[in-house]
Amino acid sequence: GAVVSQHPSWVICKSGTSVKIECRSLDFQATTMFWYRQFPKQSLMLMATSNEGSKATYEQGVEKDKFLINHASLTLSTLTVTSAHPEDSSFYICSARFGAGSQPQHFGDGTRLSIL
Amino acid sequence: AQKITQTQPGMFVQEKEAVTLDCTYDTSDPSYGLFWYKQPSSGEMIFLIYQGSYDQQNATEGRYSLNFQKARKSANLVISASQLGDSAMYFCAMRPYSSASKIIFGSGTRLSIRP
Repeated sequence: GAVVSQHPSWVICKSGTSVKIECRSLDFQATTMFWYRQFPKQSLMLMATSNEGSKATYEQGVEKDKFLINHASLTLSTLTVTSAHPEDSSFYICSARFGAGSQPQHFGDGTRLSIL
Repeated sequence: AQKITQTQPGMFVQEKEAVTLDCTYDTSDPSYGLFWYKQPSSGEMIFLIYQGSYDQQNATEGRYSLNFQKARKSANLVISASQLGDSAMYFCAMRPYSSASKIIFGSGTRLSIRP
């Protein structure tokens, strides 16, 4: 099946650091990629949607200057958490989809981000 | 309004029994897709099964089947012969096709299989 690779799987860093998370579709071209944030024992919260070569569309309440998303190619999207603070600690998970219609989204394994 | 409701926050089931996870949805879109995902404690989201709103037959994938009742707007997941490895969070999701991209997730059901 379709494989989405997310890296790193776990990050611990100091407050004020910027952290970049990569999301790659390994065996298909992802026309659309999504970034989610998940708090413990809660559902996924969509942060932004990005189409290759276009600016990301952010959900209401998500700071675009805080969470920089780049979708430079059909197989790679990155999320950069700029000047991270403890409240940014969370589980971040990306997904990718080829085309539209009935195509399911395939998820990466997620990144646990802990800001000290 | 587009909404997915999973009314069972947690379930305990004996190994080898069948289990039904409830999911109801609300949408005004005539065309939509319904999905179920499994999330083990390790965190990854695993796609299980898909049902299109115009599909005549209920979807099946191995031990998973989707009990799709369009008039009731329900899309329950049935797992037959449950296994210990089925213990996980299960999310029901819907993508109304008019929204082009956004998939909406339910709050999830934590399934625990007892040996």
